[in-house]
Amino acid sequence: QVQLVQSGAEVKKPGASVRVSCKVSGYTISELSMHWVRQTPGKGLEWMGRFDPGDGETIYAQQFQGRVTISEDTSTDTAHMDLTNLRSGDTAVYYCATLPGDWGQGTLVTVSS
Amino acid sequence: YELTQPPSVSVSPGQTARITCSGDALSNQYGYWYQQKPGQAPVLVMYKDTERPSGIPQRFSGSSSGTTVTLTISGVQAEDEADYYCQSADISFTYVVFGGGTKLTVI
Repeated sequence: QVQLVQSGAEVKKPGASVRVSCKVSGYTISELSMHWVRQTPGKGLEWMGRFDPGDGETIYAQQFQGRVTISEDTSTDTAHMDLTNLRSGDTAVYYCATLPGDWGQGTLVTVSS
Repeated sequence: YELTQPPSVSVSPGQTARITCSGDALSNQYGYWYQQKPGQAPVLVMYKDTERPSGIPQRFSGSSSGTTVTLTISGVQAEDEADYYCQSADISFTYVVFGGGTKLTVI
């Protein structure tokens, strides 16, 4: 079974960037298609995008295009999600997930001046 | 595209809870269901409309008709109180969309 362990909570100022990492164990990351999903406080789940190692293709949800980059480091079996130009509305818990199966524990990103 | 769920459903213990999810994409894509309890990551409870993952109690079942998928919980227990999210995607999970979520309250 896949285990996904995410990096710790982050506090960022508006306009800054954040990187959330997701360490894979139980499989090699090249065997998985990793998705990123976020959940704003008290709100629902929002799909951000995914990386497919089969074709190296990255697909982003329209509302995040231009601000999000999803990547993978096969040497460490770690996936990364970079989000730039942060604003208060980006305060959320960010999850990596091998949809529809396994999820990371979530990483809280707080954007505050 | 969008998936529409009722914001809340309330049932008494032992009753049957039905949570619906509607959207045009469901006419040719599978539906998936996740259970999320406070402070926890979502957990898959149903996939491909009607398939139950191992470890999920038999009281959880799924169905599909047209542009609507339904998660049914028979004999609801207090531990089933949670938020439930539906999700659909194309066959290769290229694009994914979630419903707005339904809060199941066991009263």
